[in-house]
Amino acid sequence: DVQLLESGGGLVQPGGSLRLSCAASGFTFSSYVMNWVRQAPGKGLQWVSSITGSGDRTYYADSVKGRFTISRDNSKNTLYLQMNGLRAEDTAVYYCAKAYFSGSDGGPGYWGQGTLVTVSS
Amino acid sequence: QSVLTQAPSASGTPGQRVTISCSGSNSNIGSNYVYWYQQLPGTAPKLLICRNNQRPSGVPDRFSGSKSGTSASLAISGLRSEDEADYYCAAWDDRLSGRVFGGGTKLSVL
Repeated sequence: DVQLLESGGGLVQPGGSLRLSCAASGFTFSSYVMNWVRQAPGKGLQWVSSITGSGDRTYYADSVKGRFTISRDNSKNTLYLQMNGLRAEDTAVYYCAKAYFSGSDGGPGYWGQGTLVTVSS
Repeated sequence: QSVLTQAPSASGTPGQRVTISCSGSNSNIGSNYVYWYQQLPGTAPKLLICRNNQRPSGVPDRFSGSKSGTSASLAISGLRSEDEADYYCAAWDDRLSGRVFGGGTKLSVL
């Protein structure tokens, strides 16, 4: 079974940094696009970033471009999101999501349970 | 303001058929696959429909998806109380080089 376990969330001051991790199991990690999607309290889903299976291409929402960095370690079956320059509006539950299909179609199919990031002084 | 447009709410009675719409543009729905997700309160989203109209294994055939031009729809037939949830559409956007979500539709089963 596909399992995605996020960690690294917590309370951070504005301007601070956090690194989220997503430990994956139950599938060939390197064959799938991986995504980060967030959900602010009481709000809808917002795509944050995606990375190809090999890690050679990354994509970011304009709201996080230049502040967040997505990466993966295929030898450890782990996805990361380095978040710098955090703002109050980054407060959200961050979900790690695996593409449903292998290859270039990165549409999320399996989701972790999420990790809460709170940016506040 | 979401790139994909969904009505904020919808409702139906048990047994009824309900349709949730998602409107986009040529750069997203018009040229890429649409995905639909169900999110029950306090839980992670669950994939309902992939690639416009495909149901992953385990998703009841009461749920169906369709796409025409720059719009897509999710239909739920034989409505049940457990279908009360938030529903989101999503697609890749070639112009933004990113994935876009609809604002979500909150479905109430009366």
